[in-house]
Amino acid sequence: GESVGLHLPTLSVQEGDNSIINCAYSNSASDYFIWYKQESGKGPQFIIDIRSNMDKRQGQRVTVLLNKTVKHLSLQIAATQPGDSAVYFCAGLAGGTSYGKLTFGQGTILTVHP
Amino acid sequence: NAGVMQNPRHLVRRRGQEARLRCSPMKGHSHVYWYRQLPEEGLKFMVYLQKENIIDESGMPKERFSAEFPKEGPSILRIQQVVRGDSAAYFCASSPDSNEQFFGPGTRLTVL
Repeated sequence: GESVGLHLPTLSVQEGDNSIINCAYSNSASDYFIWYKQESGKGPQFIIDIRSNMDKRQGQRVTVLLNKTVKHLSLQIAATQPGDSAVYFCAGLAGGTSYGKLTFGQGTILTVHP
Repeated sequence: NAGVMQNPRHLVRRRGQEARLRCSPMKGHSHVYWYRQLPEEGLKFMVYLQKENIIDESGMPKERFSAEFPKEGPSILRIQQVVRGDSAAYFCASSPDSNEQFFGPGTRLTVL
């Protein structure tokens, strides 16, 4: 389902640390997930995606883990840099649709301190 | 290849006026999505269009809101008789094949 809140979850890390951002989803029919990065004043930017037939996918400095049993998704960022500071959203696409009608999570604010 | 273009980037309207938001998809993309983002929230799907057709408008309010994607020209999201609750960031995304979406920079609408 969708959650509405006045305050987004926040994560503060030091430069060079690894970051883990979590996302829970409720629609068991979701079969495709995407992580987006949104910097202030900009649109969402694609980071990495994963299909439900996978439980892990790696990109450059990022890894997405999918646990379908508990309906949980995480984004791991290795060696976090100040430029990684942004709001991160997970988004899901329900199975059965032939087009990309995405459902977005609430978002997490990541702040990286030099 | 230029990215998705949206204009204006910022739009201020008084209650009761009309707001027109434009989205030019990436070259070769015939699928357009509109999303709305309220402060401190994720994006909410509004409408999905292909050239000259509305495919899914299930996320769009039934009144005052309309969208089009003509054969020529940008996609338009139109909000009539705006109210303060319409203040939000409106994002357009385009896709070449109804899956991967590329987002524009958004239009920030402020209703006074």
